[in-house]
Amino acid sequence: RKEVEQDPGPFNVPEGATVAFNCTYSNSASQSFFWYRQDCRKEPKLLMSVYSSGNEDGRFTAQLNRASQYISLLIRDSKLSDSATYLCVVNIGNQGGKLIFGQGTELSVKP
Amino acid sequence: DAGVIQSPRHEVTEMGQEVTLRCKPISGHDYLFWYRQTMMRGLELLIYFNNNVPIDDSGMPEDRFSAKMPNASFSTLKIQPSEPRDSAVYFCASSLKSLGGVETQYFGPGTRLLVL
Repeated sequence: RKEVEQDPGPFNVPEGATVAFNCTYSNSASQSFFWYRQDCRKEPKLLMSVYSSGNEDGRFTAQLNRASQYISLLIRDSKLSDSATYLCVVNIGNQGGKLIFGQGTELSVKP
Repeated sequence: DAGVIQSPRHEVTEMGQEVTLRCKPISGHDYLFWYRQTMMRGLELLIYFNNNVPIDDSGMPEDRFSAKMPNASFSTLKIQPSEPRDSAVYFCASSLKSLGGVETQYFGPGTRLLVL
């Protein structure tokens, strides 16, 4: 089983739609959680960290459920510029700065 | 700051040749990571350093791969001899560990390697 698993995608949605990505992680020692975004042929960049209480950044909302080892990302009012691959990322506390990346979910927002 | 710098940006070589990828992390960052990304396997961590010391090289595919960090501002990833299955995008990333947890990893633009 992969340490971090995501919805396979791709997600094709119209502008203005709300889209949700899900992610599960297998190691209960995981301590920090993130969503990274990767544009086509570019490097991954941090989108947002994910906190236990849930957190929001504009149109983006991230949720963490430690009991279920589940992370989600909700994008509201999607824009064409949101088209990218979204990577679920986990840091396992006893492994220093090491991050484990999911395979990513591709999002394509159409006009 | 210039961000993480990688060179070359593109490399095309023939099977059996030696390939050296270079990375300059963000100044002041004490962690450096080497990743490989392919369509089939996604983003895989190969090795990472803390204060120039290799901490975890369990992701290095085999003895053909080696990485060094001779100082805080430079690291290399070497493949010798290269094989077609090594074709991938290789990313270098750096971060600064905080007392409170894990800081953001900043990725370089990557090196696109094609081994013929």
